Amino acid sequence: DAKTTQPPSMDCAEGRAANLPCNHSTISGNEYVYWYRQIHSQGPQYIIHGLKNNETNEMASLIITEDRKSSTLILPHATLRDTAVYYCVSINSGYALNFGKGTSLLVTP
Amino acid sequence: SAVISQKPSRDICQRGTSLTIQCQVDSQVTMMFWYRQQPGQSLTLIATANQGSEATYESGFVIDKFPISRPNLTFSTLTVSNMSPEDSSIYLCSVAGRTNTGELFFGEGSRLTVL
Repeated sequence: DAKTTQPPSMDCAEGRAANLPCNHSTISGNEYVYWYRQIHSQGPQYIIHGLKNNETNEMASLIITEDRKSSTLILPHATLRDTAVYYCVSINSGYALNFGKGTSLLVTP
Repeated sequence: SAVISQKPSRDICQRGTSLTIQCQVDSQVTMMFWYRQQPGQSLTLIATANQGSEATYESGFVIDKFPISRPNLTFSTLTVSNMSPEDSSIYLCSVAGRTNTGELFFGEGSRLTVL
């Protein structure tokens, strides 16, 4: 199971893009990278996942480096409601997710 | 998507007692997971509870302390036995989506405080 490393905290101004990095240098060739977020007092919420190619959905974009050792989650226009802890996670052989410590993102007015 | 309901949403318990947390899903799911989130910490997987088989526990978690039931494809329970203050945590139920792509749906959690 891959180990993920993220900065503990980041700030972002409202309306600007939030770029959250994740290092997953031990990821294997067929392991997906998943991103979840947890808003205070709520259960984690799925954001996006990817394997090799960059991905985009209505919530965010995921940029994965060619060597797959790192990725960046991009929230293109952060709002105050995006303040949350963001987790870059790996999946184990039993389809459960392994959560690291995550990045606490604070979006400021 | 799946809608997950957990009961109780929060409780205050006395040391030495046991509490059973219920997880109800609005659709049939094969894979169900129980996580613990200690105050200010990330989520830690307790066990995987697949219907039709015994729960599989992660290192550091044992069946005597956290017995799990999975009687059908929409329901599971986690019991926290002989509680101590160190068991004060949020306990979260999670299920895998139909496509098994790694997208998990989480309940809102059960916040337990042990005095």
